Amino acid sequence: GNSVTQMEGPVTLSEEAFLTINCTYTATGYPSLFWYVQYPGEGLQLLLKATKADDKGSNKGFEATYRKETTSFHLEKGSVQVSDSAVYFCALIKLAGSSNTGKLIFGQGTTLQVKP
Amino acid sequence: DTGVSQDPRHKITKRGQNVTFRCDPISEHNRLYWYRQTLGQGPEFLTYFQNEAQLEKSRLLSDRFSAERPKGSFSTLEIQRTEQGDSAMYLCASSQRDSYMNTEAFFGQGTRLTVV
Repeated sequence: GNSVTQMEGPVTLSEEAFLTINCTYTATGYPSLFWYVQYPGEGLQLLLKATKADDKGSNKGFEATYRKETTSFHLEKGSVQVSDSAVYFCALIKLAGSSNTGKLIFGQGTTLQVKP
Repeated sequence: DTGVSQDPRHKITKRGQNVTFRCDPISEHNRLYWYRQTLGQGPEFLTYFQNEAQLEKSRLLSDRFSAERPKGSFSTLEIQRTEQGDSAMYLCASSQRDSYMNTEAFFGQGTRLTVV
């Protein structure tokens, strides 16, 4: 079946440090991959996405590249800010196809704490 | 459009009581999803609708849970005879599906249920 595995948290960094949050997936076919972010007390917001192999999703300084050969979609940011403190979820979905449900499969989430 | 909205944001109930949550999706979206998120975990799929038809229910959705989307617009999720294990964040999401593709899902802020 389909599944997503993220690195354990919390990840604690100082401001301006480099961030990597690892995500690997298991899926049949060709899923689309997403990173969602959840700020304290809020719902999930889409951060970035990639719909096919070698695509790079990017937003707000965050990037992730869809690596089919390693079944990975690691999230990176070159210089984190205190305002990036949140929980980050990697997820997959099959967007295309006549029978797909569009339901997301999430990883367990990784908490990022950025200290000034 | 103000996005996906959920009501209430917080609900505290006594064990054994019934509760009902409401979700208003983005108006042009024909798909609506319910997820449950427990502390420290990623959201887990519960059920989804395409227009007014409920197309899939997870095994997580026991007989005490029922969801409706009577006119293909807003949806309600009812939990009967609540148990402490039902305490969680209930998330609603919506997306648009045409003949082949889904758009990505947009989430509401969630309803946090506490059963005491």
